[in-house]
Parts: sequence; C-alpha cells; structure tokens
Amino acid sequence: DTAVSQTPKYLVTQMGNDKSIKCEQNLGHDTMYWYKQDSKKFLKIMFSYNNKELIINETVPNRFSPKSPDKAHLNLHINSLELGDSAVYFCASSPGVGTQYFGPGTRLLVL
Amino acid sequence: GDSVTQMEGPVTLSEEAFLTINCTYTATGYPSLFWYVQYPGEGLQLLLKATKADDKGSNKGFEATYRKETTSFHLEKGSVQVSDSAVYFCALIPRGYGGATNKLIFGTGTLLAVQP
Repeated sequence: DTAVSQTPKYLVTQMGNDKSIKCEQNLGHDTMYWYKQDSKKFLKIMFSYNNKELIINETVPNRFSPKSPDKAHLNLHINSLELGDSAVYFCASSPGVGTQYFGPGTRLLVL
Repeated sequence: GDSVTQMEGPVTLSEEAFLTINCTYTATGYPSLFWYVQYPGEGLQLLLKATKADDKGSNKGFEATYRKETTSFHLEKGSVQVSDSAVYFCALIPRGYGGATNKLIFGTGTLLAVQP
C-alpha cells in the first residue's frame, strides 16, 4: 500500500503550458505539503495545507496554485510553465506537526 | 533565520568503513532534528529523528545525537555497505516557545558513494 502517491511520475512539457500534479495520502494525516528539489538537490518548502486550509505559502510565483479538495489530496497547478520550473516536486504529509512522509516525486522538465 | 548546514559531498568510502556526515543548525527555541535519505531515483525516507537535547536517534545502524551545546546532529554509521549509497539530508522543524511549526528546513544534502 502506497502511503503518499503522486501522479505523474514524469512530466515533460513545453514552455507556456499549464500542468497539474496530483498527490494523495492514505495515512489519515491532517497536513500536506509541496516541496521543490532543484537540480543541485536543494529542497525547499512551497506550500502546506492543514485540513484543506493553506497555512504555509512561501515566496512562490503566483503561477503556482495548490488546491486541496479534501484532506487526503493536495494538487499543484502550474500556469505558464517556465524553464526554471524544471525540478522534482515532492508531496509530503504529516499528522499535524509530526514527522513528514514523502511521496516518490514528480520529475518536471520544461522544454 | 533558521538554517541547516551540512558537509559538502560527495563522500566516497569503501565498504565497512566508518561514516560521519556533519550537520549543524541555527534555530531559535528548540527544534526537532531529522535525517532523511534519498536513494537514486526515489523520494525521501525518514532515517532517524531526535526531538530534544541529548536524544539519540537510530535506525538501520545509523545514529545521530542531538547536541544543543554545539548545535549539531552528526550522522554516524560504524560500517557502511554499498546499499547505503544515497543522498543524506539533515533537516529541522523549528519550535519556539509558542509551539511547533511544521516547516521542514533542509540542508543541502550530502552524496555518499560506497565502493565495494
């Protein structure tokens, strides 16, 4: 049973396109996150939701919009993709402020 | 602000060698500390954690001790295996006197390559 799953695993697209990445967790956690890992492996938090409510919104361009239809899902929509958006995007979840559990990542390549 | 500094890699070791990956942190209050591991092509897995001073986290032969006096959380393993080859991330969750946040702050990661 996959605890935190993401789709798609790989995403190759053209500059200017709009794309979405989906995340689901079956751990019953209240809090979900999106992290970005750049080409140098540096990881940085983008967003955090607690029970469908946005609680962390780091300095991220407005082109990135998270959506949480219920507490088991947190999707990431990206408008007008740019070359610099190429990265690995990780979803994670936690029981409140407890240990965070990560998904396998979505490798986004913008051409 | 809060931050984590870990040694730059790559760290290259022979099988059965002793491993140390240094990690120091800057934080107000008393953060929780973590080591995550990322195997090639995979997501991050929690390796171990410690939530208060002098706690020792351990898992799969790896250990790290929360040292508040030196603001460190160095990762050690007595005898590494080829299967330990991965990127290791030190991280913290800040916690002030008002309670914990849930913002995980990562170091830059250290690539470990173990040769047979």
